[in-house]
Amino acid sequence: TQLLEQSPQFLSIQEGENLTVYCNSSSVFSSLQWYRQEPGEGPVLLVTVVTGGEVKKLKRLTFQFGDARKDSSLHITAAQTGDTGLYLCAGVGNAGNMLTFGGGTRLMVKP
Amino acid sequence: DAGITQSPRHKVTETGTPVTLRCHQTENHRYMYWYRQDPGHGLRLIHYSYGVKDTDKGEVSDGYSVSRSKTEDFLLTLESATSSQTSVYFCATTSTGGPAKNIQYFGAGTRLSVL
Repeated sequence: TQLLEQSPQFLSIQEGENLTVYCNSSSVFSSLQWYRQEPGEGPVLLVTVVTGGEVKKLKRLTFQFGDARKDSSLHITAAQTGDTGLYLCAGVGNAGNMLTFGGGTRLMVKP
Repeated sequence: DAGITQSPRHKVTETGTPVTLRCHQTENHRYMYWYRQDPGHGLRLIHYSYGVKDTDKGEVSDGYSVSRSKTEDFLLTLESATSSQTSVYFCATTSTGGPAKNIQYFGAGTRLSVL
């Protein structure tokens, strides 16, 4: 069974601060996805990283895939209250249609 | 956005009663999934389907069954609900080709309470 460990589980910060969320596994994934979920809604894909060492930027969000394709990080610069939500990483297996989800990081950004 | 509708959105039931949750999609996606979401556990796969009448178990399938008689509908049944099945249930679909390949699209969830 492939497992993904996310840390931290909870994060409460002030608006304007930076933060990093980590997603670690002992297994290799063909790619890794990050989803964001708001209360009362389902998760929505933010990004997919495919190549070991890949870095993708989405405005103030920077996603990195580890060289060995076992871990990933999400860095948010100058967090805003609108970034509040649950962030989930998901590893994509070799078949491509099965995801293994991490436990999630619940982020609260206070004004 | 993929058109995925879950019904009901909220349900309260009693231990021992059967419950069926419905997922309806308008995207003609081949793969459909049922997950449960509990605090600290992220999303855990219950069952999935890779075509009409083709289903398979996920990591937490005990106590659940599924059926898919049409491409657009995927039903999750709790034959005899237990309190441990209190959770938020999400349906998802994915395309097997094109630019959206391997992206899972989620419904808004069903909050189930078993008393």
